[in-house]
Amino acid sequence: QVQLQESGPGLVKPSETLSLTCTVSGGSINNYYWSWIRQPPGKGLEWIGYIYFTGSTNYNPSLKSRVTILVDTSNNQFSLTLNSVTAADTAVYYCARGANWFEPWGQGTLVTVSS
Amino acid sequence: QSALTQPASVSGSPGQSITISCTGTSSDVGSYNLVTWYQQHPGKAPKLMIYEGNKRPSGVSNRFSGSKTGNTAYLAISGLQAEDEADYYCCSYAGSSTSFYVFGTGTKVTVL
Repeated sequence: QVQLQESGPGLVKPSETLSLTCTVSGGSINNYYWSWIRQPPGKGLEWIGYIYFTGSTNYNPSLKSRVTILVDTSNNQFSLTLNSVTAADTAVYYCARGANWFEPWGQGTLVTVSS
Repeated sequence: QSALTQPASVSGSPGQSITISCTGTSSDVGSYNLVTWYQQHPGKAPKLMIYEGNKRPSGVSNRFSGSKTGNTAYLAISGLQAEDEADYYCCSYAGSSTSFYVFGTGTKVTVL
């Protein structure tokens, strides 16, 4: 079955850029929507945005000015870039398949924003 | 866009039934048949339990069911089992002019 795996730095300095990649295995990235969702430690979930395999995107308006999601169909990957990070961006970042519902999810990766 | 409101905790004994509420507004839960429910065990990724308000993905026990009345959605768990102890989050589509998708505050289910 389809599996997702997040990868990227676990520590980012304030004001710098957070970059993560989600690798999809066991199935094609084509013909699906793909989302990023985050969860600050001990808190709830927040939808960041999604991308269609064609490259069409939609973002959470609260993050839109700082977020970019891209897709690389040749490598079955999609990525997240979040600019000008602060401590409030410290969270477990999940990638997931879907838009109106999210399944499956990656295992998540903790990104800490600290100097 | 504010988070959907869920009770912080719900508990029940094995075999009992419980219900978790998820209250939104006429702009999200009340406007769309796109409420989803996720189960999250500690340190694990969320798992989809209900989509489109009342549909179960393949492999999800029929002990889980979803419903909606007005601006409030519900997740019912019957025949409560120890493995059901987890955090549960609802989520609703909220329209393209707002935040698109808004999650609930989360409910900790404890099996006594």
